[in-house]
Amino acid sequence: NAGVTQTPKFRILKIGQSMTLQCTQDMNHNYMYWYRQDPGMGLKLIYYSVGAGITDKGEVPNGYNVSRSTTEDFPLRLELAAPSQTSVYFCASSYAPQQGYEQYFGPGTRLTVT
Amino acid sequence: GNSVTQMEGPVTLSEEAFLTINCTYTATGYPSLFWYVQYPGEGLQLLLKATKADDKGSNKGFEATYRKETTSFHLEKGSVQVSDSAVYFCAPPSDDKIIFGKGTRLHILP
Repeated sequence: NAGVTQTPKFRILKIGQSMTLQCTQDMNHNYMYWYRQDPGMGLKLIYYSVGAGITDKGEVPNGYNVSRSTTEDFPLRLELAAPSQTSVYFCASSYAPQQGYEQYFGPGTRLTVT
Repeated sequence: GNSVTQMEGPVTLSEEAFLTINCTYTATGYPSLFWYVQYPGEGLQLLLKATKADDKGSNKGFEATYRKETTSFHLEKGSVQVSDSAVYFCAPPSDDKIIFGKGTRLHILP
């Protein structure tokens, strides 16, 4: 199993540009998550999904959009990049965490907006 | 939803010192509890977990006991190594999500 894969690893955007961060998992997990981690800080939940066709907002959803058309893929879309979105983005997946299942994380995408 | 309070870092220790990182939580019922670790430049990975009250999770010399009386899940290690330098996150689930605190950055000096 490849686990959770994210692309790209690094990206530099200009203010106002858009991009999609890709996330794929091959563990047949129904739960998927997007987090951002600012330098020296903890993780903040952007969006999450409990299954294909279902998405929900986390703590910091403004400026982002997601879709979940398949179990495997959970892309994160930035429409109008702003410097405040400079961060490291992590995708994660799991079975139901409230039943004791751990989250598996991807390696992250480091995004800089200038 | 559930929440967590984790001791602030950074924590700096010498090699072979005893480590405790405090974590207390508020939760409905007795959810599973997790400790995750993030090594430099990497994503988070599970360090250990406990699935019910009074359980002890352990891995790589680290231990944490799920204490419902004090709603705590403190992380301990008897003798830390330089390779344990990382950020540690205490994380209870809250509904369909896992809530991560700010984490505790640990520096181990040789």
